[in-house]
Amino acid sequence: GIQVEQSPPDLILQEGANSTLRCNFSDSVNNLQWFHQNPWGQLINLFYIPSGTKQNGRLSATTVATERYSLLYISSSQTTDSGVYFCAVTGTYKYIFGTGTRLKVLA
Amino acid sequence: DSGVTQTPKHLITATGQRVTLRCSPRSGDLSVYWYQQSLDQGLQFLIQYYNGEERAKGNILERFSAQQFPDLHSELNLSSLELGDSALYFCASSVASQETQYFGPGTRLLVL
Repeated sequence: GIQVEQSPPDLILQEGANSTLRCNFSDSVNNLQWFHQNPWGQLINLFYIPSGTKQNGRLSATTVATERYSLLYISSSQTTDSGVYFCAVTGTYKYIFGTGTRLKVLA
Repeated sequence: DSGVTQTPKHLITATGQRVTLRCSPRSGDLSVYWYQQSLDQGLQFLIQYYNGEERAKGNILERFSAQQFPDLHSELNLSSLELGDSALYFCASSVASQETQYFGPGTRLLVL
């Protein structure tokens, strides 16, 4: 089946710093989503991005489907950005989450 | 608020028991997904329904079953519960298959 790897596994930033999170996947996928799981456990949809680039405020994402990776950029990080960031891919009716990047932003 | 609701929020039960988790999708969404999040297994896809029909199956145990009703709400039934079934169970919904999924707040299940 499709393997999804995220890096780095853990990240600690000072407030205001920028970061790049990476998601590699082992096979062609039909779609890819990025989620943020906040410290209360809620999963929040960030981007639906099977290919191309999207931006939403301080967050942006790029997926290069031909090279099987996606990047999530967080600029000017805030303490509320803390939590775990997951990418999830869909093959043929297979929904697979990566193991996540745990981000802690320090005030 | 994603628009997906799940009940109950918390559930504590004993080994061997049976529980039912309920999910109401966002208005207009036809597809419902169930996921299990545990410390050792991460987020695992269990099963997907689309407009009342089972569409895809993931790592769902035989002791677990689900259905989607005509009003599109879904229930996940967990039986013969074991300690290892303790986890956060999420429901998600989307307009159609393989579209953006929106997650509910989850049901935290503790099996003692």
